Amino acid sequence: SQKIEQNSEALNIQEGKTATLTCNYTNYSPAYLQWYRQDPGRGPVFLLLIRENEKEKRKERLKVTFDTTLKQSLFHITASQPADSATYLCAPGGGSYIPTFGRGTSLIVHP
Amino acid sequence: DTAVSQTPKYLVTQMGNDKSIKCEQNLGHDTMYWYKQDSKKFLKIMFSYNNKELIINETVPNRFSPKSPDKAHLNLHINSLELGDSAVYFCASSQGSGAYQETQYFGPGTRLLVL
Repeated sequence: SQKIEQNSEALNIQEGKTATLTCNYTNYSPAYLQWYRQDPGRGPVFLLLIRENEKEKRKERLKVTFDTTLKQSLFHITASQPADSATYLCAPGGGSYIPTFGRGTSLIVHP
Repeated sequence: DTAVSQTPKYLVTQMGNDKSIKCEQNLGHDTMYWYKQDSKKFLKIMFSYNNKELIINETVPNRFSPKSPDKAHLNLHINSLELGDSAVYFCASSQGSGAYQETQYFGPGTRLLVL
């Protein structure tokens, strides 16, 4: 069955550093992959979508890579700020896949 | 203007009761969803409707019955509530047909606590 793995342990980093979050998937061949941000007590918010023919996508301080050979996506936040603290969810998609989200990784940026 | 809204925001009720959660989107989207997020924060899809037609029904107990009166509204009715139904329920919408995982816009969630 399809499986999405995100690091369940919180990632703690210092302000100004680059945060890197990992999303691995198995038994999937997604045409694209999305990343969402979820703050406590709120619904997920869409951040970025990267397609299988794109190696890298950027939006302001965010960068996403997508390696279909490794079945992995990396999500980077450069020059991180305490306001970036949240849970980040990945969601492979495309074709006829049922909408499925990873459990998310909690990012904590310390001032 | 809230894009996807849900009511109520909090719901505390006794086991065995019947309750409803309402969802409305003003984005003009064709597809709406219900998700359940449990205490371990796992977000799992329950139902999806496209233009009032049920397109996804993910092994949810038949105590849960979604209803879509029009494409801007998707309500969730739960009969005979059980302790295990306690969770946060999110409504979402997307622009396309719902045939694949599209970019979704989520509501603020309804926190259900069954005592």
